[in-house]
Amino acid sequence: QVQLVESGGGVVQPGRSLRLSCAASGFTFSTYAMHWVRQAPGKALDWVAAILHDGSSEFYANSVKGRFSISRDNSENTLYLQMNSLRADDTAVYYCAREEWCGGATCYTPFDYWGQGTLVTVSS
Amino acid sequence: QSVLTQPPSASGTPGQRVTISCSGSSSNIETIYIYWYQQLPGTAPRPLIYRNNERPSGVPDRFSGSKSGTSASLAISGLRSEDEADYYCAAWDDGVWLFGGGTKLTVL
Repeated sequence: QVQLVESGGGVVQPGRSLRLSCAASGFTFSTYAMHWVRQAPGKALDWVAAILHDGSSEFYANSVKGRFSISRDNSENTLYLQMNSLRADDTAVYYCAREEWCGGATCYTPFDYWGQGTLVTVSS
Repeated sequence: QSVLTQPPSASGTPGQRVTISCSGSSSNIETIYIYWYQQLPGTAPRPLIYRNNERPSGVPDRFSGSKSGTSASLAISGLRSEDEADYYCAAWDDGVWLFGGGTKLTVL
């Protein structure tokens, strides 16, 4: 069955860095674009970043552009999020989610599976 | 950049039909697809509606989506206690994914 398992969260001081991972299994990872979506405590979902199935393009929310970097290793079925210059308002549960790619374009079924999330707390 | 606006709360009694709206702030909303997600307490979101009105397999036909002009709606008929959750609309617009602020549905 499809599994997405995030790891790497924790407590970090403002201005420091953290790297999240998302291990994928149960599907052909290389045929899916992947996303990071976060949710601050008691708040709404907030899309962070996406990367195409082959890693050829990346997309970022304005709030993280220049600070966060998304990447993937299709040989290891793993998605990453490198987070630098962290701020208090980056505190959230970070979810990875997939989006199937069909022949060079989206299949229009985004975020069909989500991981359980990993909590990042930015605090001094 | 567009913003998706949802009412913060909605409620209904078992068996009732409720609708949750999602309105866009720019005219782009007329040409983009709206997606809907359900988040039960303490769990990750799951998809309810793709491309305005398409239900993924496994989603009951009590859930339906529609779009007209710059506004979209999620309708839930035959309301059940297990429908109590947060509901989010989403859209891909101008190179970013947008999520609405979420609507907390209470089943009275």
